[in-house]
Amino acid sequence: DTGVSQNPRHKITKRGQNVTFRCDPISEHNRLYWYRQTLGQGPEFLTYFQNEAQLEKSRLLSDRFSAERPKGSFSTLEIQRTEQGDSAMYLCASSFGGTLVEPQHFGDGTRLSIL
Amino acid sequence: AQSVTQLGSHVSVSEGALVLLRCNYSSSVPPYLFWYVQYPNQGLQLLLKYTTGATLVKGINGFEAEFKKSETSFHLTKPSAHMSDAAEYFCAVRVLGGSNTGKLIFGQGTTLQVKP
Repeated sequence: DTGVSQNPRHKITKRGQNVTFRCDPISEHNRLYWYRQTLGQGPEFLTYFQNEAQLEKSRLLSDRFSAERPKGSFSTLEIQRTEQGDSAMYLCASSFGGTLVEPQHFGDGTRLSIL
Repeated sequence: AQSVTQLGSHVSVSEGALVLLRCNYSSSVPPYLFWYVQYPNQGLQLLLKYTTGATLVKGINGFEAEFKKSETSFHLTKPSAHMSDAAEYFCAVRVLGGSNTGKLIFGQGTTLQVKP
């Protein structure tokens, strides 16, 4: 069990550029979540995958955001035409099972800074 | 809809003193509740969880929490604070029912400062 891995850890980019983050969940975890955390706040839900199917998207996920989880393994989160307000920590979490008793395990996040 | 309120954005205690971090929840169904800790520039680490059964749950690093349905609370405690406990603490409720995604709803967080 190597834990949830996120890359890159930090991303600095200019406004208007596209960025992509990657999340490798714990192997065998079928549930995968993306959250966004701004300074001084708790994480907010963005989207959820069960295996390869994206089953829920938050209203926070504008059409500039897209997420995928091909083959139900790793996941990517892409932000197109980045804006200042996209600056945040993006957290990935995974959990296992058909019930919701098992807790979510979080990665160390990707911190995005928009210049 | 479920929600979480953490009372007190900053808590300061002396090393060796009792730690009490407050969390109240709102849920129309029996809740699944969690406490996570976050150190600077890191992700969230699970401290403990309550799903069903015993209402006093013990977690890692000497922390424990008690689920009180009548008070809709899930306060986190530790008898004796250690310098290494200084961090951000988040209470969360898992969304049950509906689409059954199990996403977490987090409180605003409480920063724990431990003074020597």
